[in-house]
Amino acid sequence: EVHLLESGGDLVQPGGSLRLSCAASGFTFSNYAMTWVRQAPGKGLEWVSTISGRGDRTYYADSVKGRFTISRDNSKNTLSLQMNSLRAEDTAEYYCAKARSGFSTYDYWGQGTLVTVSS
Amino acid sequence: EIVLTQSPGTLSLSPGERATLSCRASQSVSSNLVWYQQKPGQAPRLLIYDASNRATGIPGRFSGSGSGTDFTLTISSLEPEDFAVYYCQQRSNWPLTFGQGTKVEIK
Repeated sequence: EVHLLESGGDLVQPGGSLRLSCAASGFTFSNYAMTWVRQAPGKGLEWVSTISGRGDRTYYADSVKGRFTISRDNSKNTLSLQMNSLRAEDTAEYYCAKARSGFSTYDYWGQGTLVTVSS
Repeated sequence: EIVLTQSPGTLSLSPGERATLSCRASQSVSSNLVWYQQKPGQAPRLLIYDASNRATGIPGRFSGSGSGTDFTLTISSLEPEDFAVYYCQQRSNWPLTFGQGTKVEIK
């Protein structure tokens, strides 16, 4: 059974940094692209970043480009999101999700981890 | 960036009724359109991919149609568990984008 478990969400001050992790199990992790999608409180879904199975291709939303870095450790079945220069508008539930095939249809999602950016 | 516009914002229906949700893209996405369902406090759930293919385990009452710029998600007969928010997502171009969602609520 596929399982994705996010961690690392916290309350952080504007300008601060945070690293999110997503532990994956139940599938061959290196065979699938992975993504981060966020959802601000009471709002809709926003795509954040995607990484290929081998980790050699990455994609970012303009809103996070240059501030966030997606990475993966296929030996540990772990996806990460390094978040720097955090802003109030980054406050959201962050979900990791597994691509069904290719890069951009997501068939399994974690339960999310909450990031709050506030002074 | 491709903008997806979902309508209506809220759909008030009774169990057993038919639900028709629309998603319109600002430019053609071919058949590269995905539908998700999200219930309060839960992660999104994949329903339909490539405009009309049901994901594994999705009941037959859910169907998707359309291509180009106009897409429809139909729930043929609403079950109590179908009251939720539905999002479309295009996977034609980066950045990936979602519609703003349609809430299907109990009338």
